[in-house]
Amino acid sequence: GAGVSQSPSNKVTEKGKDVELRCDPISGHTALYWYRQSLGQGLEFLIYFQGNSAPDKSGLPSDRFSAERTGGSVSTLTIQRTQQEDSAVYLCASRAGGVREQYFGPGTRLTVT
Amino acid sequence: SQQGEEDPQALSIQEGENATMNCSYKTSINNLQWYRQNSGRGLVHLILIRSNEREKHSGRLRVTLDTSKKSSSLLITASRAADTASYFCATDAAGGYNKLIFGAGTRLAVHP
Repeated sequence: GAGVSQSPSNKVTEKGKDVELRCDPISGHTALYWYRQSLGQGLEFLIYFQGNSAPDKSGLPSDRFSAERTGGSVSTLTIQRTQQEDSAVYLCASRAGGVREQYFGPGTRLTVT
Repeated sequence: SQQGEEDPQALSIQEGENATMNCSYKTSINNLQWYRQNSGRGLVHLILIRSNEREKHSGRLRVTLDTSKKSSSLLITASRAADTASYFCATDAAGGYNKLIFGAGTRLAVHP
């Protein structure tokens, strides 16, 4: 079946604007994760969903960041009033219940000018 | 914050040589995973080693885990130009909803 998909693949926005990033996980995967990767760095955990609830939001860097998941499937990460330091690649991953491996999407490269 | 550190940060070898990357971490783990990333985009899962395992093989990959030293190594044997990528270790911390904590990665370049 299809893998994890993310849209848009690239997003350029002006400082202060809001952006929405979308993730379509693998069908049937109950767990969904958002990570952020700044230039040349490793990945930083942002938020974890199990079904539609988010038991771990500990990685969200500020209250400008929020995420939701509907129908146990698609997730949207919203960044309000974007700042230049938000520029990064945002990666989504999903995982089936009972296994440990995460399957990553291709990411959204966000550039805040 | 990053869980661990990887070394070397960059590695350049010739095709056919072996490549070894190391990873250290800080907390108790359920398992440790290695991922590959091409061109700074999506990650591909390579191999998972559980905390009660010491060594695991998959094709040309060999992973070791030393929980007493909180370290792991990834060996790629008989490297190919197509192995050129960044390699990340990621720990799945005990009690952590299986969220992964990544190291900073090793950039591997394999020259024909």
